[in-house]
Amino acid sequence: RKEVEQDPGPFNVPEGATVAFNCTYSNSASQSFFWYRQDCRKEPKLLMSVYSSGNEDGRFTAQLNRASQYISLLIRDSKLSDSATYLCAVNIDAAGNTGKLIFGQGTTLQVKP
Amino acid sequence: SQTIHQWPATLVQPVGSPLSLECTVEGTSNPNLYWYRQAAGRGLQLLFYSVGIGQISSEVPQNLSASRPQDRQFILSSKKLLLSDSGFYLCAWSEDSYEQYFGPGTRLTVT
Repeated sequence: RKEVEQDPGPFNVPEGATVAFNCTYSNSASQSFFWYRQDCRKEPKLLMSVYSSGNEDGRFTAQLNRASQYISLLIRDSKLSDSATYLCAVNIDAAGNTGKLIFGQGTTLQVKP
Repeated sequence: SQTIHQWPATLVQPVGSPLSLECTVEGTSNPNLYWYRQAAGRGLQLLFYSVGIGQISSEVPQNLSASRPQDRQFILSSKKLLLSDSGFYLCAWSEDSYEQYFGPGTRLTVT
């Protein structure tokens, strides 16, 4: 089993739709989780951090399920500009100071007019 | 505010040539620094990380090396490039080992 797994998609949704991505992780000791957005040929940009059960920022909601070891990202009222690849990342050094992250392969979202 | 710079933005190098990519961070002190590679259509692979000057940890065996000569400078090098070294090289920094922020990246093509 990979340390961090995502459904690569692509997810093709119409504008205004609600879409959800899941990301599973294997290290039960992980304490911090992140969602990044990456546009084509650009660097990943931090979208949301998840330290406890969840986090909400406007149309975006991230949730953590420790029992089942997954995090999810929900996007409501999808916009054309939401089209991108969404990467989840998991801190695998819970006890140390390295801040090492393992990234999933990314989920591609295409929002259609 | 903090900013991170990488250069060059793009690079085309022949097989067997040396490599030096530079990353600098402004507006923070003693950050953790990271080098990643993203091959075409692939995820991010952590190559090296550093928690302080002169402290480098390697994640995968390869013909690349990293150095941190100053607190906010991180350099990725190779003596002889291979075709498989092609990819998108990203530098990132973090404070307190939490969120990581990426530089604009260097797109390397080895021919």
